[in-house]
Amino acid sequence: IAGITQAPTSQILAAGRRMTLRCTQDMRHNAMYWYRQDLGLGLRLIHYSNTAGTTGKGEVPDGYSVSRANTDDFPLTLASAVPSQTSVYFCASSVDPAGGAADTQYFGPGTRLTVL
Amino acid sequence: AQKITQTQPGMFVQEKEAVTLDCTYDTSDPSYGLFWYKQPSSGEMIFLIYQGSYDQQNATEGRYSLNFQKARKSANLVISASQLGDSAMYFCAMKGQPNTGNQFYFGTGTSLTVIP
Repeated sequence: IAGITQAPTSQILAAGRRMTLRCTQDMRHNAMYWYRQDLGLGLRLIHYSNTAGTTGKGEVPDGYSVSRANTDDFPLTLASAVPSQTSVYFCASSVDPAGGAADTQYFGPGTRLTVL
Repeated sequence: AQKITQTQPGMFVQEKEAVTLDCTYDTSDPSYGLFWYKQPSSGEMIFLIYQGSYDQQNATEGRYSLNFQKARKSANLVISASQLGDSAMYFCAMKGQPNTGNQFYFGTGTSLTVIP
């Protein structure tokens, strides 16, 4: 079934540990995104990639890094996790962000991360 | 700056009745897209409906319609004949032109409860 997969589904992590959240899409979309969702704040963009080999910073990039080695995969890394990074993380993809305002984003199931 | 506002933290509706979820936006882009997503208790983000700023008619998708009033900068979601399965969080989002960034801007969401 075409779509976006994320792993792990949930994770409890000690502060200071390194963690990589995985995201894979099989829709051959050009663009991919990482959001975090916190209660009362909606979804906020962490990083994005408009095409393989390129990445950009979103609204809340500090403490996170990404890479886009190929079209399908867009991992998000927390180099040294802190409790404020406790959140639900969503990966999303879209066909072509340069195509204009109609470029719909489709979301993965999310990863619930708790940093203690 | 782009901004989405959802002023209704929670809404209740009787089963089979219609309900309107409010969304206002602020942008200086001449072309933009407006989106609604549903997030049930299971957590996934489900795309519902899209409205382009230059579209002459309001968008409709089954029981969902978007009441787009450009001059008032509002893009309210109307759900007709509510069903118990419509109980969820609903998020309004906006995307501008590529030259102002490709990210989606999300509102803080409205929690809808359908009462039997």
